[in-house]
Amino acid sequence: SQTIHQWPATLVQPVGSPLSLECTVEGTSNPNLYWYRQAAGRGLQLLFYSVGIGQISSEVPQNLSASRPQDRQFILSSKKLLLSDSGFYLCARAGGRRDTQYFGPGTRLTVL
Amino acid sequence: AQSVTQPDIHITVSEGASLELRCNYSYGATPYLFWYVQSPGQGLQLLLKYFSGDTLVQGIKGFEAEFKRSQSSFNLRKPSVHWSDAAEYFCAVGAPNYGGATNKLIFGTGTLLAVQP
Repeated sequence: SQTIHQWPATLVQPVGSPLSLECTVEGTSNPNLYWYRQAAGRGLQLLFYSVGIGQISSEVPQNLSASRPQDRQFILSSKKLLLSDSGFYLCARAGGRRDTQYFGPGTRLTVL
Repeated sequence: AQSVTQPDIHITVSEGASLELRCNYSYGATPYLFWYVQSPGQGLQLLLKYFSGDTLVQGIKGFEAEFKRSQSSFNLRKPSVHWSDAAEYFCAVGAPNYGGATNKLIFGTGTLLAVQP
């Protein structure tokens, strides 16, 4: 089966600290991968997507960056967190007909 | 521009009652349509999807949805709600994008379902 892992599950970080969230996918090769953020009252916002190793596209300019160092690994980073970076971060992979997206369990990030 | 509207922010139903969650979309071509469910603190789970063909689609957990092109709607239904159905429900439209490399999902703002005993 195809499984998405996200690490860590929860994270509390001070303003100005760095960030690294990891998403790994099992059971598939060369998936399209996505990072979404879900902030309170703001729905789901697509942040980045990747169609292959080293290929990153940004949807919204902001304080975050993404990398794809391996086929099934997608990393979300920041050099200095802002309060507004708090939220629930979801990784998704696309597969099957019409690139249906399937989501991981998410990471809850709180910036204090 | 593509958009998805879920007009009901919060709905409360009694256990055993029927349920209909509304979704309207704006898209210039034939859309790909999805419903996802999210339990508190969890990721999104795909309930069902529509690409083409039969306009009534069956999903998991006893849910179904009907695509109505004339009304630009894709409403989610369940004949008898269970307490475990309490969650947030998201409608999404998939728009082919990025040179065909992948589809962009545009989400509605969600409907929070509460189930009364």
